[in-house]
Amino acid sequence: QQPVQSPQAVILREGEDAVINCSSSKALYSVHWYRQKHGEAPVFLMILLKGGEQMRHEKISASFNEKKQQSSLYLTASQLSYSGTYFCGTGHRDNYGQNFVFGPGTRLSVLP
Amino acid sequence: DSGVTQTPKHLITATGQRVTLRCSPRSGDLSVYWYQQSLDQGLQFLIQYYNGEERAKGNILERFSAQQFPDLHSELNLSSLELGDSALYFCASSADGSRGTGELFFGEGSRLTVL
Repeated sequence: QQPVQSPQAVILREGEDAVINCSSSKALYSVHWYRQKHGEAPVFLMILLKGGEQMRHEKISASFNEKKQQSSLYLTASQLSYSGTYFCGTGHRDNYGQNFVFGPGTRLSVLP
Repeated sequence: DSGVTQTPKHLITATGQRVTLRCSPRSGDLSVYWYQQSLDQGLQFLIQYYNGEERAKGNILERFSAQQFPDLHSELNLSSLELGDSALYFCASSADGSRGTGELFFGEGSRLTVL
């Protein structure tokens, strides 16, 4: 079951903040966040595990609400380099070897 | 450099043909995932192997097949190719075999164009 991401796209000015949300209809064991620039491979940002702490990657942080089966990615004081498509990926605890699926992506554009 | 190697980087072929995409995972990683990404679309999960065995299967067409060899490299075979199969095919590897607790390292992808 593919997770849902919102919004589909965001346009920001440099220095502004943004939040990207990811939710699943199934119980989550882990949530990953990746960023992909056009024509390149996705790059790992962070992973959040059930019972784990909020994670940070530079000025990007994320939270994981196990009860709501949601995760949010917070981009603070965005930089031009943050532009790209952000994917959340979900792992589920009820299936050993569950296919690790990604959401449809959120396209982030940071303008000068 | 993620440590995951995919070949070929680009492939142009005709409808009805068959191609094989190859992936060498990062040293020590036992899991290999295959994803298909059509133009400006998301990452569609195809299949996962762990230490030589199929671990999970996504929306993989019957015309597609994959395997992981004893040296852990993997191949994705695409046959009876159609125009709609044109896409970027990514391989990713992970040390983890289940539940998605390990970071995925992506190769640079193999861009397939079917004419």
